[in-house]
Amino acid sequence: GDSVTQMEGPVTLSEEAFLTINCTYTATGYPSLFWYVQYPGEGLQLLLKATKADDKGSNKGFEATYRKETTSFHLEKGSVQVSDSAVYFCALTQAGTALIFGKGTTLSVSS
Amino acid sequence: DARVTQTPRDKVTEMGQEVTMRCQPILGHNTVFWYRQTMMQGLELLAYFRNRAPLDDSGMPKDRFSAEMPDATLATLKIQPSEPRDSAVYFCASGMWGGSEQFFGPGTRLTVL
Repeated sequence: GDSVTQMEGPVTLSEEAFLTINCTYTATGYPSLFWYVQYPGEGLQLLLKATKADDKGSNKGFEATYRKETTSFHLEKGSVQVSDSAVYFCALTQAGTALIFGKGTTLSVSS
Repeated sequence: DARVTQTPRDKVTEMGQEVTMRCQPILGHNTVFWYRQTMMQGLELLAYFRNRAPLDDSGMPKDRFSAEMPDATLATLKIQPSEPRDSAVYFCASGMWGGSEQFFGPGTRLTVL
């Protein structure tokens, strides 16, 4: 079945550092890909999405490009802030059915 | 600002008791999902509905869990009897069938003693 694999955390960075969180997927067909973010004690918020190959999703300085040839959707940000500290989930869905999530990566940013 | 609401936000109960969690999806959304989050398993699907009809409940232990949509504005998830291994955060999400985005509620944190 479909699956998502993302890098193990935690990731610890200093403010203004460059961030990359790797995500790869296994899926039949052409899934839509997502990054969700979860702040402590809260639900999941959609950070960005891409619905077809070569699409780039972007939001709040975060970016990810849908790479079908490498089945990847890596999350990047050029300069992280303390407020970016959270858990990040990569996920996929086929035609609006249930999301399949990676295990999540905890990001901790210090000033 | 439309959002998914869930009640209760926190529930502590004793083993063997019935637990009911409620979700109000965003008005107009026709697909509702229930997910469970634990440290060991991460986020996993329990069940989902389209136009109030159950489409997939393969993620639920059938002997103790049940999910329903009495009407388009309410989804319920019941556990009877509850067990300590059911302790988790339960999330409801809603969206449009065929669309890609799902909107999550704040979750119900369940602790079964």
